Amino acid sequence: QVRLVQSGAELKNPGASVKVTCKASGYTFTGYYLHWVRQAPGQGLEWMAWINPKNGDTNYAQKFRDRVTLTRDTSITTGYMELSRLRSDDTAVYFCARGGYDSLSGHYTVFDYWGQGTLVAISP
Amino acid sequence: QSVVTQPPSASGTPGQRVTISCSGSSSNIGSNPVNWYQQLPGTAPKLLIYSNNQRPSGVADRFSGSKSGTSASLAISGLQSEDEADYYCAAWDNRFNGPYVFGTGTKVTVL
Repeated sequence: QVRLVQSGAELKNPGASVKVTCKASGYTFTGYYLHWVRQAPGQGLEWMAWINPKNGDTNYAQKFRDRVTLTRDTSITTGYMELSRLRSDDTAVYFCARGGYDSLSGHYTVFDYWGQGTLVAISP
Repeated sequence: QSVVTQPPSASGTPGQRVTISCSGSSSNIGSNPVNWYQQLPGTAPKLLIYSNNQRPSGVADRFSGSKSGTSASLAISGLQSEDEADYYCAAWDNRFNGPYVFGTGTKVTVL
């Protein structure tokens, strides 16, 4: 069965970086995009970026373009999201999600499986 | 602030029909298919509807989606207590080759 398992909660200081992992299993890793979405406490969902595991291509939301880096290791079917220069408003649960192909749009934006989420808390 | 708006709340009694609206623009909903996600408290979101009106296997046929122009809607018929959750619409936005925009979210309460 398809599973996305994320790394555990992190507590970081302002200005530091965090790297969250997303281990995929149960499907062809290179056949689907991997997206990252975050949710601040009591707030809605916010899309951050995607990576195409097949070739490493990425697309970042303008808001995160200078602070987020997505990478992947196809040998261990794992994706990574690194967020740098952390601020207090980066405190959130970070989700990875598998992006399936939507034939109507041509984008890999059907988020059919999600990781369990990783809480990243920023506190001095 | 999301560019796709939803009512903050909706409610109904068991068995009733509840509809959630989702309003966007020509660059997102007007140009791309809409997906809907359900998020139960303390859990990851779950895909409910994709490509405007398609249900993934395992999703009850009580849930249905539609789209017209720059708006979309999710209908829940035969409301059940386990439907109490947050619901988000979402669509790709073409303005800058992204982003993928989520709606502001709607909390559904079963009275």
